[in-house]
Amino acid sequence: DIQMTQSPSSVSASVGDRVTITCRASQAISSWLAWYQLKPGKAPKLLIYAASSLQSGVPSRFSGSGSGTDFTLTISSLQPEDFATYYCQQTTNFPYTFGLGTKLEIK
Amino acid sequence: QVQLQESGPGLVKTSETLSLTCTVSSGSVSSGDYYWSWIRQPPGKGLEWIGYIYHSGSTKYNPSLKSRVTISVDTSKNQFSLKLSSMTAADTALYYCARVEMTMVRGVINYFFDYWGQGTLVTVSS
Repeated sequence: DIQMTQSPSSVSASVGDRVTITCRASQAISSWLAWYQLKPGKAPKLLIYAASSLQSGVPSRFSGSGSGTDFTLTISSLQPEDFATYYCQQTTNFPYTFGLGTKLEIK
Repeated sequence: QVQLQESGPGLVKTSETLSLTCTVSSGSVSSGDYYWSWIRQPPGKGLEWIGYIYHSGSTKYNPSLKSRVTISVDTSKNQFSLKLSSMTAADTALYYCARVEMTMVRGVINYFFDYWGQGTLVTVSS
């Protein structure tokens, strides 16, 4: 299975900050990477697909980059609604696998 | 806006079979453009992909669960379902259903989970 390693596992930040989350795959996955936002009691939300494509309706402060094994999710200016847990996922090989998540907390 | 809603028992006994259903609204499980998937998240842990099904009935499962999993689709009810047998405490989790989109991006077909249900908590107890 392809292992997805996210860092950091948690981060504290303030509204308006720029935050970057990284995801590293245990083998090359081209650009077959997606980022999701999870909040308790809500349906998970797709933010980025194909490593850098912004899902329709997602604010432009979210961006993704990378290919091969190293990827990043950047939130350019944190808003109160962005405090959540973020997961990366690869869909190159079966089984599809996720990172362990990055919890974004209010400082 | 496509909506997915999981339903099923919140409590299952050890060794029994879990049955969950995902009802799809404002979208069709008969569409050839999507797969339909189940994912779970044990308390305090990460996400685990369980498997998916195509409208034709073709399936793909996570090898770690393959011997115990069956995913089926009912196009007449616009639903798809999960059965997981021989449940143990390790199967206690929040279970999500999701739609898997297939889209050509930069000349390559990409797969990603574009709509999810809110999840249903399943607890396994003796």
